[in-house]
Amino acid sequence: GEDVEQSLFLSVREGDSSVINCTYTDSSSTYLYWYKQEPGAGLQLLTYIFSNMDMKQDQRLTVLLNKKDKHLSLRIADTQTGDSAIYFCAERAGANNLFFGTGTRLTVIP
Amino acid sequence: GAVVSQHPSRVICKSGTSVKIECRSLDFQATTMFWYRQFPKQSLMLMATSNEGSKATYEQGVEKDKFLINHASLTLSTLTVTSAHPEDSSFYICSARLGQDIYEQYFGPGTRLTVT
Repeated sequence: GEDVEQSLFLSVREGDSSVINCTYTDSSSTYLYWYKQEPGAGLQLLTYIFSNMDMKQDQRLTVLLNKKDKHLSLRIADTQTGDSAIYFCAERAGANNLFFGTGTRLTVIP
Repeated sequence: GAVVSQHPSRVICKSGTSVKIECRSLDFQATTMFWYRQFPKQSLMLMATSNEGSKATYEQGVEKDKFLINHASLTLSTLTVTSAHPEDSSFYICSARLGQDIYEQYFGPGTRLTVT
């Protein structure tokens, strides 16, 4: 079955770049997503990338996809304290299903 | 952007009672909505897929008689936890898909259910 893995914790200093990594197993994934979850809240879609793309940039966010290695990363430039949250990667496999990673808790140190 | 709301945001109920959670897409029509469950410090687990006008599709291990899903309109899906027990306490999150060809799901803010 599908397996999406992330490291559980990441700490960075304010102003530095954060890189959150994700690996997945399903080579048929069509879309890959990054979501942000703040404490006690639902998920906010940050960005997504289609599987035929290598990179997508949106303001401070850069998504890199290495389809050969099934590796996805999210880079947040100039990380701010408001970026502290849990970040989930997710892959779409099939028409309806999203499979979520375990989530990476990003802590930004002032 | 697409907004999905959930109501209530937090509910405490007694064991044996039933609780209904509403999920609404506020500014778009959603033919498909999804219900997830999230345990503390864990990822989301898909419970069921709700299609407007038809029966929900449940994931393996999810009791359909316990978690009743109704998708009565293109903007509303409800999840009813029947005869709730303390182990049903969790954070329930719904999402709605925007159209058939746009692979984006928009998530609600979640409902925290505590069963005493």
